[in-house]
Amino acid sequence: KAGVTQTPRYLIKTRGQQVTLSCSPISGHRSVSWYQQTPGQGLQFLFEYFSETQRNKGNFPGRFSGRQFSNSRSEMNVSTLELGDSALYLCASSLVPRRVPSTDTQYFGPGTRLTVL
Amino acid sequence: DQQVKQNSPSLSVQEGRISILNCDYTNSMFDYFLWYKKYPAEGPTFLISISSIKDKNEDGRFTVFLNKSAKHLSLHIVPSQPGDSAVYFCAATPLIQGAQKLVFGQGTRLTINP
Repeated sequence: KAGVTQTPRYLIKTRGQQVTLSCSPISGHRSVSWYQQTPGQGLQFLFEYFSETQRNKGNFPGRFSGRQFSNSRSEMNVSTLELGDSALYLCASSLVPRRVPSTDTQYFGPGTRLTVL
Repeated sequence: DQQVKQNSPSLSVQEGRISILNCDYTNSMFDYFLWYKKYPAEGPTFLISISSIKDKNEDGRFTVFLNKSAKHLSLHIVPSQPGDSAVYFCAATPLIQGAQKLVFGQGTRLTINP
């Protein structure tokens, strides 16, 4: 079974631009979560989608948005990029959202490394 | 406000010895804790977890201990192997929010020396 795939793997943008990152979950997985990893803050939760609906949202400004399609693929968009948005953006998929986590709750993709100049 | 803290950014251990990675949390609503391991250029992979109703969970060479009163958990790896060299993240979640919204620490880079 193929893992979580994220495209592109690397991206360089300039301040003020916008960017769209893509995530394809494991086949059959319907829940997709997005995280931002920076050296100082570790991994921070951005948002989670299930059945094309945002179910949870982290503490990020409105410049960060996302969506999920009917095939469970998800995209996240960052508008008006700032230098501080440079980070590794990770996507994680799970079969369905569940209250009692099991050991295989989330599978992470390799991430998209975004550099803002 | 860092709700999950890993105060050691790095740790170096001799092969065969015990590695102990520590994690502290501040949110008393957290009731499920996980450890993830991350190699460069890969996403984190799940390692081991513990529920707040337990104080210890063991899986092979990996044991996680939870001290709820101190809001502290630790991951013990024994014996440490070169392949254990990676960045380790602890994560926590209040189950009421579901397991998809995890709060992670900043990570500890573990290096196992031969």
